[in-house]
Amino acid sequence: EVQLLESGGGLVQPGGSLRLSCAASGFRFGAYGMSWVRQPQGKGLEWVSGITYGGDTTFYADSVRGRFTISRDASKSTVDLQMNNLSAEDTAVYYCAKWGEQCHSSTCYKPFDYWGQGTLVTVSS
Amino acid sequence: DIEMTQSPSTLSASIGDRVTITCRASQTISIWLAWYQQKRGKVPKLLISGSSSLQSGVPSRFSGSGSGTEFTLSISSLQPDDFATYYCQQYHTFQTFGQGTKVEIK
Repeated sequence: EVQLLESGGGLVQPGGSLRLSCAASGFRFGAYGMSWVRQPQGKGLEWVSGITYGGDTTFYADSVRGRFTISRDASKSTVDLQMNNLSAEDTAVYYCAKWGEQCHSSTCYKPFDYWGQGTLVTVSS
Repeated sequence: DIEMTQSPSTLSASIGDRVTITCRASQTISIWLAWYQQKRGKVPKLLISGSSSLQSGVPSRFSGSGSGTEFTLSISSLQPDDFATYYCQQYHTFQTFGQGTKVEIK
């Protein structure tokens, strides 16, 4: 059974940093790309960042580029999101998502077949 | 980034109605379009990928079509379980979502 378990959310002051982690199990982690998606309370989904199966290519939404960094650790089956210089606009539930199909190039993208339950990030003074 | 625009934002319908949601991309994305259903308090569920390929276990009343920049999600006969918010997502370049369409009871 595929499981994605996010951790690391919490309350942080504006300008602060937070590191989210997603522990994956139940599938061949090294074969699939992974992404982070966020959803402010009562609002829509916003794709945040993605990383290819091998970790060699990362990509970001304009709203977070330069502030957020995605990474993955194949030995631990985890994907992390380092978030710096946070603002109130970053307040949301952050979901980890697994790509539904394998990609064999660095310019290939896939939709998500499994999602974690999310971790809440609140940026407030 | 490619922008995705859904219409309408909210749709009021009755059980048994045929429902259609439109999604437009700011540039051509071929058929690299997915649809998700999200119920209140739940994570999104992938319904359709590749514009028209139904995921395993998704009822056949759901269908998707389109290519290029214009796409539709249709529900042939709305059921009580279908009242939810629906999102389109392009995965031609990155993986951006539309703003969502809430299907509510009329």
